[in-house]
Amino acid sequence: AQTVTQSQPEMSVQEAETVTLSCTYDTSESNYYLFWYKQPPSRQMILVIRQEAYKQQNATENRFSVNFQKAAKSFSLKISDSQLGDTAMYFCAFMKSQGGSEKLVFGKGTKLTVNP
Amino acid sequence: DSGVTQTPKHLITATGQRVTLRCSPRSGDLSVYWYQQSLDQGLQFLIHYYNGEERAKGNILERFSAQQFPDLHSELNLSSLELGDSALYFCASSVEGKRGYGYTFGSGTRLTVV
Repeated sequence: AQTVTQSQPEMSVQEAETVTLSCTYDTSESNYYLFWYKQPPSRQMILVIRQEAYKQQNATENRFSVNFQKAAKSFSLKISDSQLGDTAMYFCAFMKSQGGSEKLVFGKGTKLTVNP
Repeated sequence: DSGVTQTPKHLITATGQRVTLRCSPRSGDLSVYWYQQSLDQGLQFLIHYYNGEERAKGNILERFSAQQFPDLHSELNLSSLELGDSALYFCASSVEGKRGYGYTFGSGTRLTVV
């Protein structure tokens, strides 16, 4: 079974500080894709960052970066210079292939609150 | 605006009723995915359609069905509704062959069964 685990149900951080959200996953595939999605109070699911497993370099998108540890099956998200607008649920997701189809499998999410 | 359109945004209905949720994928995307988001279950994959054909099923109840039409819009039909069906239902679309791009999600339909 392929699962995605986010061990921190809730986190908080002060504005302008850095926070790291954890994610571990389980898979037997050799090449795969990992994602972080953000769901603000508006409930829209927004893609934050993505990582391809065969690429050793960690992905970066402005203030968002990942620490991808393939051997440990770990995919954490670091948010630098946190802003009030970063307050949201963050979901880690794994792209699973399944006989001619694929689907995103999500963790249960981490609720991040950025405090002024 | 993500380019994926879902209607209606909110729906309140009684137990035992039937509702239809509609989704139009982003222009050029042939795949449509339906997800259910409830408080205790997180985001659960329901079903995947590609260019009108069902490609994969997830944890979709027999009371639920879906289809994708020739114009690529999709409908999710929920029947004999129960209180536990109250959830946020998302539609997403993707570009075929571009697994690494992830999905583009609509803004969801909030279903409340009373």
